[in-house]
Amino acid sequence: GAGVSQSPRYKVAKRGQDVALRCDPISGHVSLFWYQQALGQGPEFLTYFQNEAQLDKSGLPSDRFFAERPEGSVSTLKIQRTQQEDSAVYLCASSPDWNYGYTFGSGTRLTVV
Amino acid sequence: EDKVVQSPLSLVVHEGDTVTLNCSYEVTNFRSLLWYKQEKKAPTFLFMLTSSGIEKKSGRLSSILDKKELFSILNITATQTGDSAIYLCAVEEGGSEKLVFGKGTKLTVNP
Repeated sequence: GAGVSQSPRYKVAKRGQDVALRCDPISGHVSLFWYQQALGQGPEFLTYFQNEAQLDKSGLPSDRFFAERPEGSVSTLKIQRTQQEDSAVYLCASSPDWNYGYTFGSGTRLTVV
Repeated sequence: EDKVVQSPLSLVVHEGDTVTLNCSYEVTNFRSLLWYKQEKKAPTFLFMLTSSGIEKKSGRLSSILDKKELFSILNITATQTGDSAIYLCAVEEGGSEKLVFGKGTKLTVNP
């Protein structure tokens, strides 16, 4: 596609429920990033893939968060046993190379009730 | 504690005004500084700056980096209501692909 596509756009989860957020990057983009943006804050790094390899997961806030990109294209961010503090917009970004900047998707707004 | 600090946090101006947004940073191995505009959810790329003193321009927007003083500014001239958005500054450290964002500046342009 022309841009980075994320689904769903909105997700309401009951506390304790598992959720899966999908990111479809721009075709051919090697690098893929997940960021978490709380209300009134800038995005915060979660994890980074280069092709299918997860090179940095230092930003994942707990072991309830898990990300994968098994074939080096589509990525899924999974959050197990969601908590209220997980409520945020989850942004995905992709890039062909660091020198080209990053293209962000529209994000998934997760609300945990 | 914060590596990227933006100021002001919010700004209200009238159409036609010129604004300057500030971003200071503190990283050990600087690679690049990026500016994004965020209107609803998706931040859209404005500029990437890697060298000091070279101004980048796109229409009414321009930006410059000072690597000695560790800051960047984003200028918007002849503001329009469509410029209303949150402007995010982010820094990329060498050896790491991740971006460290500031909290953003919320710009409101009134007619």
